Amino acid sequence: RKEVEQDPGPFNVPEGATVAFNCTYSNSASQSFFWYRQDCRKEPKLLMSVYSSGNEDGRFTAQLNRASQYISLLIRDSKLSDSATYLCVVTLSSRGSYIPTFGRGTSLIVHP
Amino acid sequence: DVKVTQSSRYLVKRTGEKVFLECVQDMDHENMFWYRQDPGLGLRLIYFSYDVKMKEKGDIPEGYSVSREKKERFSLILESASTNQTSMYLCASSWGLNQPQHFGDGTRLSIL
Repeated sequence: RKEVEQDPGPFNVPEGATVAFNCTYSNSASQSFFWYRQDCRKEPKLLMSVYSSGNEDGRFTAQLNRASQYISLLIRDSKLSDSATYLCVVTLSSRGSYIPTFGRGTSLIVHP
Repeated sequence: DVKVTQSSRYLVKRTGEKVFLECVQDMDHENMFWYRQDPGLGLRLIYFSYDVKMKEKGDIPEGYSVSREKKERFSLILESASTNQTSMYLCASSWGLNQPQHFGDGTRLSIL
């Protein structure tokens, strides 16, 4: 079982839709959680950190569920420019350190 | 703003060559990372470094080595390049292992 898992999609949604992605992780001692966005043939860029109490940044809301070991990303009022791959990152304990581990990403396509 | 600079955007080398990929960051970050990204496999950690002259193996270190002689510079070395090392290579840096990472633009390496 992969340590950080995401549904690869693609999620194909119309403009204005609300879409949500989940990311499950295997290590209950994981400390930090992030969502990154990656455009085609570009580097990943930090979208938002995920805090225990949940956090919001404009149209984007991130949640952490420690009991069920997953994080989520909700995008409201989708724009064409939201089309990208969304990567979740979880720091997992390995050899005495917490190492950032990436999921394989979820592809989002927003169409007119 | 954090700047992570990779020495080449595109590189073509031949099998058996020794290949050097360079990465420089300008924010005095403690940690630096090398990943490769392949379709369907996501980002996989090759090596990381948490201090000058310190290095740790990631998930796929075989066929690679690294060097960190100065805090701002982290080099990835392919000792004897092989065709299965054709990939996108991404360098990243962060303040701490639990902190967000900042990525360079990536090097698209082709081994012929």
